[in-house]
Amino acid sequence: RKEVEQDPGPFNVPEGATVAFNCTYSNSASQSFFWYRQDCRKEPKLLMSVYSSGNEDGRFTAQLNRASQYISLLIRDSKLSDSATYLCVVSTGNQFYFGTGTSLTVIP
Amino acid sequence: DVKVTQSSRYLVKRTGEKVFLECVQDMDHENMFWYRQDPGLGLRLIYFSYDVKMKEKGDIPEGYSVSREKKERFSLILESASTNQTSMYLCASGGQDYEQYFGPGTRLTVT
Repeated sequence: RKEVEQDPGPFNVPEGATVAFNCTYSNSASQSFFWYRQDCRKEPKLLMSVYSSGNEDGRFTAQLNRASQYISLLIRDSKLSDSATYLCVVSTGNQFYFGTGTSLTVIP
Repeated sequence: DVKVTQSSRYLVKRTGEKVFLECVQDMDHENMFWYRQDPGLGLRLIYFSYDVKMKEKGDIPEGYSVSREKKERFSLILESASTNQTSMYLCASGGQDYEQYFGPGTRLTVT
């Protein structure tokens, strides 16, 4: 079983739509959680950390559900510039596990 | 801004050659990582280091070694390159908050 699983998509949504991604993890001892964004042929860039109580950064909201072992990312009012692959990352001690990414295309 | 640089963006090597990939960070981070990224497999951790001269194996260390002689520099070595090591190699650095910052990547082709 993979440490981290994501729906690869692709998600194709119109501008202004709200879209949500989920990511499940297998190790209940996981401690830290993140969302990264990766543009085509570029390196991943940290989008936001995910805190136990949930956190928001502008149009982006991240949530953690420890009981069901998943994290989520909600993007409101999608922009064309949000088109990218979104990677979830789960950390257990010094080990980091990346999901394979969810592809998002925002259509005009 | 955190800056992580990698020695080459593109590299072409022949089977059996020794390959050095270098990574330098300017944020005085303790932790440094080497990943490879392949389509459908995502990022996989090769090695990481949490201090100078310290190294730990990740998920796929076979065929690779690393060196960290200085805090800011973490090198990945392919002792004898093989075609199945053709991949995108990404270096990252991070501090105690576990957030990682990536370099631009090296696309290695082994022929």
